[in-house]
Amino acid sequence: QKEVEQDPGPLSVPEGAIVSLNCTYSNSAFQYFMWYRQYSRKGPELLMYTYSSGNKEDGRFTAQVDKSSKYISLFIRDSQPSDSATYLCASRNDKIIFGKGTRLHILP
Amino acid sequence: ETGVTQSPTHLIKTRGQQVTLRCSSQSGHNTVSWYQQALGQGPQFIFQYYREEENGRGNFPPRFSGLQFPNYSSELNVNALELDDSALYLCASSLETGSNTEAFFGQGTRLTVV
Repeated sequence: QKEVEQDPGPLSVPEGAIVSLNCTYSNSAFQYFMWYRQYSRKGPELLMYTYSSGNKEDGRFTAQVDKSSKYISLFIRDSQPSDSATYLCASRNDKIIFGKGTRLHILP
Repeated sequence: ETGVTQSPTHLIKTRGQQVTLRCSSQSGHNTVSWYQQALGQGPQFIFQYYREEENGRGNFPPRFSGLQFPNYSSELNVNALELDDSALYLCASSLETGSNTEAFFGQGTRLTVV
């Protein structure tokens, strides 16, 4: 079992819709969780960084961690075509462990 | 922009050759990590350098080696290149090691082995 599992998609939604991206993880010792956005042929860009369980909001983005179910979520409100990218969930101990990434397409 | 720069941006090498990739970390950051991202996959941890010493390594063979310089810039060397080494190589810098520090990635070097 991979330490961080993520459905690779692709996921296509119409502009303006709410997007829900999800991951699961296996190591109960993980405390720090991240979401990165990666555009084609670019490096990952840190979007959200959360500690332990709970929600964190930043503009149109909300990250949610449920440690009891080992579930990580990212919600994007009012999605825009510029949000089309690959979204990588990750956790960190002494190194960052990434999921495979979910390819997201926002349709104009 | 993260302030992490990598060179070159693209590279084509022949199987069996050696390659050196370079990374300049963000100002003030003393920790550099290298990742390999194959097409359609998430980045995989290769190794990490903290204050010029390797302090963590992933599941990569010894022909992957690295170096960190006194100014905290870093190199990744790969010997005896194989076709499967074709990937995007990413460098990330952070202020310290440990699980509560944010890491910032460069744009990557895309290596193609033919």
